[in-house]
Amino acid sequence: GAVVSQHPSRVICKSGTSVKIECRSLDFQATTMFWYRQFPKQSLMLMATSNEGSKATYEQGVEKDKFLINHASLTLSTLTVTSAHPEDSSFYICSAREDRGSYGYTFGSGTRLTVV
Amino acid sequence: DAKTTQPTSMDCAEGRAANLPCNHSTISGNEYVYWYRQIHSQGPQYIIHGLKNNETNEMASLIITEDRKSSTLILPHATLRDTAVYYCIGSNFNKFYFGSGTKLNVKP
Repeated sequence: GAVVSQHPSRVICKSGTSVKIECRSLDFQATTMFWYRQFPKQSLMLMATSNEGSKATYEQGVEKDKFLINHASLTLSTLTVTSAHPEDSSFYICSAREDRGSYGYTFGSGTRLTVV
Repeated sequence: DAKTTQPTSMDCAEGRAANLPCNHSTISGNEYVYWYRQIHSQGPQYIIHGLKNNETNEMASLIITEDRKSSTLILPHATLRDTAVYYCIGSNFNKFYFGSGTKLNVKP
């Protein structure tokens, strides 16, 4: 089946630095990918839609200058958390849908970001 | 996307069937009902989806009411490894918005 790989699985960074998270569709092409954030004991919150070759679209309340998304190829989307602060510490998850598939979306295994 | 309502938590004895309900009264005609589950600190895992007809796969069965306002996910023989948060989502291949889901606790 479709596999989405997310890297790194865990990252610790200092306040004020930037962190890049990669999301790859391993065996399929994905024009569209999605980024979610999940705080402890809460549900997944959709942050943005990543579109190959064009600008990402962000959900209301998500700062596009803080969460930079790049979808440079049909198999890779990246999320960069810029000038990270402790409140950005969260579980970040990406998902992708096979362009020619009839399923829903395949999710990555998530990235645990801790900002110290 | 359709708003969904699920019970916060449910218990199930190991080996018994787990029946997880979901209300999606605002679902539109072209929106599928998707079920995913999330085991602690992992990404959501696809379980099953359907439009109108009942569906079955190796993991579960999905029963959708005739008016499509609600559905039930059935895990026929729950195991301890089925302990997870189960999410019901209404979507037409567009964005997935997650509700709060049902925490299923499978007990020995």
